[in-house]
Amino acid sequence: AQSVSQHNHHVILSEAASLELGCNYSYGGTVNLFWYVQYPGQHLQLLLKYFSGDPLVKGIKGFEAEFIKSKFSFNLRKPSVQWSDTAEYFCAVTPTDSWGKFQFGAGTQVVVTP
Amino acid sequence: DVKVTQSSRYLVKRTGEKVFLECVQDMDHENMFWYRQDPGLGLRLIYFSYDVKMKEKGDIPEGYSVSREKKERFSLILESASTNQTSMYLCASRQGATNEKLFFGSGTQLSVL
Repeated sequence: AQSVSQHNHHVILSEAASLELGCNYSYGGTVNLFWYVQYPGQHLQLLLKYFSGDPLVKGIKGFEAEFIKSKFSFNLRKPSVQWSDTAEYFCAVTPTDSWGKFQFGAGTQVVVTP
Repeated sequence: DVKVTQSSRYLVKRTGEKVFLECVQDMDHENMFWYRQDPGLGLRLIYFSYDVKMKEKGDIPEGYSVSREKKERFSLILESASTNQTSMYLCASRQGATNEKLFFGSGTQLSVL
């Protein structure tokens, strides 16, 4: 069975600081990888996704993520955060050979202080 | 843009009641999902459906069932609600490919008293 692990449950940082959120997964086959974000009071929405090609993917709002296959990792980064990046961030994995198993990590609550 | 609509934003039910949570999507998506979201646990998959009348158990199906009679509608049923089913329930849909993103509804906060 697959699983998704996010390293931090809560992160607090100041505006302009750099952000890196860790995500590791366990699965024996090929996967598609996603980062979702949930701003306070809003729907979950997609930040970025990886399914093939360049392992460094860029998403919305200046976020990027790097897929390192050998480490089963898909870490999210942003060089300089803003107060509006305060949100909960979820890593998600789905095997390429399975329709349904869209599995999420436990989430990381990020608070950016002015 | 894709719209995933959940019928209730807040719901309060009593222990033992049968509860129906409804979800409708308007983009002819093949796949639909039900998750529950709990603090510190993230989103956990309850059931999913990859087509009409097709369903599969997710990671925590106990105490739940689902119905997908029409492509646009995916219902989650709590046969006999219990207090440990108090949670935020999220419905999502996706076009039928594993690299496609999920579109989420706004959620139903269910409280079972």
